[in-house]
Amino acid sequence: DGGITQSPKYLFRKEGQNVTLSCEQNLNHDAMYWYRQDPGQGLRLIYYSQIVNDFQKGDIAEGYSVSREKKESFPLTVTSAQKNPTAFYLCASSESFYSGANVLTFGAGSRLTVL
Amino acid sequence: KNQVEQSPQSLIILEGKNCTLQCNYTVSPFSNLRWYKQDTGRGPVSLTIMTFSENTKSNGRYTATLDADTKQSSLHITASQLSDSASYICVVGSGNTGKLIFGQGTTLQVKP
Repeated sequence: DGGITQSPKYLFRKEGQNVTLSCEQNLNHDAMYWYRQDPGQGLRLIYYSQIVNDFQKGDIAEGYSVSREKKESFPLTVTSAQKNPTAFYLCASSESFYSGANVLTFGAGSRLTVL
Repeated sequence: KNQVEQSPQSLIILEGKNCTLQCNYTVSPFSNLRWYKQDTGRGPVSLTIMTFSENTKSNGRYTATLDADTKQSSLHITASQLSDSASYICVVGSGNTGKLIFGQGTTLQVKP
């Protein structure tokens, strides 16, 4: 089955620790995205990548970092600099970056809780 | 400021009834409008995508309408089922940046 796999599903972190969320896609999509979802708010864009070895900051990139060394993979690191990291994180991909009516395919999400 | 507002925030209906969810946007220039369904604890799944020239699009029991003049969209669900219980998210694509602006979602609960 083609799709996006996010892991882990649930993650607990102590304050001051960095954690990395995995995102893998087998859809052969060029563009990949990370969103953050908080209760009562719309999804907010953290980082996006239009192509391998390239990525751009989204609207709330502070305290996060990404890499795109392979087309299939776009891991997100939540660093200790992120002041309020508890949230639901969604990875998505599309054939190309936001062109026309490109459909975003989302992963199942990762829920991060800071203890 | 580009914004997408959805109403109501939450809705409870009985199984078999119809319902309509609303989406108002102030995104300019407009490119497209999408509706997604998000089950609890899962990622959103695309229901419909409409461009400027389209004013209605259906996907099974889901029918989306778009009025580009008033900048309003609605999602009508016919003969609701328990599996329709989810959050429904309206998303508008910006024509110049290509970015997507997400609404906060409407939570629908269908009761037997």
